[in-house]
This record gives sequence, structure tokens and C-alpha cells, in this order.
Amino acid sequence: GESVGLHLPTLSVQEGDNSIINCAYSNSASDYFIWYKQESGKGPQFIIDIRSNMDKRQGQRVTVLLNKTVKHLSLQIAATQPGDSAVYFCAESERLQAQLWSLALGRLYFGRGTQLTVWP
Amino acid sequence: DTGVSQDPRHKITKRGQNVTFRCDPISEHNRLYWYRQTLGQGPEFLTYFQNEAQLEKSRLLSDRFSAERPKGSFSTLEIQRTEQGDSAMYLCASSLATSANGEQFFGPGTRLTVL
Repeated sequence: GESVGLHLPTLSVQEGDNSIINCAYSNSASDYFIWYKQESGKGPQFIIDIRSNMDKRQGQRVTVLLNKTVKHLSLQIAATQPGDSAVYFCAESERLQAQLWSLALGRLYFGRGTQLTVWP
Repeated sequence: DTGVSQDPRHKITKRGQNVTFRCDPISEHNRLYWYRQTLGQGPEFLTYFQNEAQLEKSRLLSDRFSAERPKGSFSTLEIQRTEQGDSAMYLCASSLATSANGEQFFGPGTRLTVL
């Protein structure tokens, strides 16, 4: 659970292009995954989450893909904008009660982060 | 602004001094978390509370660190005899234990510099 990592520390894209940020995890017991965005001088901001019983979830301009077989998580940002420039972290957690998704999410394990820079 | 506030936002202290940080969570949230973040790294879990009970502490939380949440609302994190290695951003987050996804809302952090 403490081995969440990212493949690329930096990513530069042109405005309007799609961005893909990847993340690997090693804890097979992790069953809840979150992507956070952190701008300079601010705390992490929730983007999107996914539970282990899903392999894809879509939000507004963002999609998270989960491949449990290879323990890989990715965040796709469509039509990337300059305001998307930030550090992106994946985080994982385990439920302490198997039957109830809503209860007992404890600590989050964060990866190192990827710096996304969007050029106009 | 997530609704989680932290005070102070910045703290500069000399090695050996004690410091105390405060976190005010979103009012209806019963869970409160403390994380530490160093430059270029993701946040590292320190401890968390459900109401006033401290449910889990990381190995990172040495005996110089103590956290409290006496009335189940705001929390304080105290570091005694600060060391240069304590320099970091200290983040607080809160959540509602019974929410659908247990999303943790982070505050802006307190940046500690130990000289």
C-alpha cells in the first residue's frame, strides 16, 4: 500500500491535446483509487475516483482507467487547458470493512506525482 | 476553497522550538486526517481521528509529534523540539465516514520551515 508510483515525473502537452498520466500500485488489497490535482501553494484537490469493482469511470473531461491485473491506473484529460497545469497524484486506500463501501476508509497512500504543463 | 482551514499558513521556527498547528475541518465531517508533504513528494499519512478518537498513527509520527481533537471538531498537531528534517507542508483533510466514497477534502496546508 505504500508503493504507489508514477511512471513519468513530468508531462508537457499542447493546449487542446489529450493528456494521459499513469500510475502503478503494488498493494493487491487496495480497492479504492483517487486522482488528486495540486496547484502550487494549495492542498490536493479531488478530481475523480474509482472503486476496484470498476475498470473505467468518466467525469467532466476526465476518465480514470483501472487495470487490476497489472495494478495500473491512468488519468486521461481531454482537451487539456492551461488551467490543468498542476501536479497530479494518484492515491489508493483499503476498505476496512469488506461489505460497506461507505465506511472506514482510512489512510490514503499517495504516489510521487506528475507535473503536467500545458503550453498555449 | 474546500472548506477545510489551517492556521498558520506559514511557520518559521528555530531548531529545538515547539510548534503547534490548527486544522478546522468541514463542520459536519467526523473524520480528520493529518499528512506531511515534502517537496516533490506526495503527501504521507501521519494520523487520523474519527470524532475525538485517534484511530491510527503512522510510524512517521515520532514521540515528538502529538495530535489531538478534544471535542471532535478542530484538531491540533504539535511538534516538540523541532528538527530541520521536520520542514515540510503539513496538510489536514476531513471526510464524512458515512459518505458514499469517503472523499477526503484537503486544506491549504501549513508550511513549516525549521532553521
